[in-house]
Amino acid sequence: QVQLVESGGGVVQPGKSLRLSCAASGFNFSNYGMHWVRQTPGKGLDWVAVILYDGTNNYYADSAKGRFIISRDNSKNTLFLQMNSLRPEDTGVYYCAKGLTNLALMCAFDYWGQGTLVTVSS
Amino acid sequence: DIQLTQSPSFLSASVGDRVTITCRASQGISSSLAWYQQKPAKAPKLLIYAASTLQSGVPSRFSGSGSGTDFTLTISSLQPEDFATYYCQQLNTYPLFTFGPGTKVDIK
Repeated sequence: QVQLVESGGGVVQPGKSLRLSCAASGFNFSNYGMHWVRQTPGKGLDWVAVILYDGTNNYYADSAKGRFIISRDNSKNTLFLQMNSLRPEDTGVYYCAKGLTNLALMCAFDYWGQGTLVTVSS
Repeated sequence: DIQLTQSPSFLSASVGDRVTITCRASQGISSSLAWYQQKPAKAPKLLIYAASTLQSGVPSRFSGSGSGTDFTLTISSLQPEDFATYYCQQLNTYPLFTFGPGTKVDIK
């Protein structure tokens, strides 16, 4: 069965960096686009970034551009999010999510991890 | 930039009720819309994609319709496990993968 397990969250001071990981299993990881989605405590869902199945292209929400970097290691079935210059408004639960459609970018997210909490506070 | 609105924001209903949630896009997005269900402290779950296609394993009481700018998620007979927050998501245009603000379905 498909499993996505995030790690790397924690408490970090404003301006610092954090790297999130998402270990994937149960599907052919190298065939699917992968996403990061943030949920602010008590609020809705904000898409953060996507990386194409082969890592050749990625796209970011305006809030993440220039500060966050999404990457993947298909040999290790792992997705990453490097978050730099963190701000208090980056606080939230970060989910990794799998794209529904083989080799496609613009598709729904059919599996989600359990999330990892990032708190940016001094 | 495209924006999604959902109505109502909050809905109080009873088991067995027919429930309808609306999602409206600020510009046309064809059928590029998905619906998710989220329960407290859980990850979202995909219910519907391409506006009306039921995701595998999702009960048939859930259905989606619409195209262009107006979309609907319907639960034909609300069950106890359906009390949750529901989000729509557009998959068509910039900004990418925008989610709606959510509709919370609570027990009357």
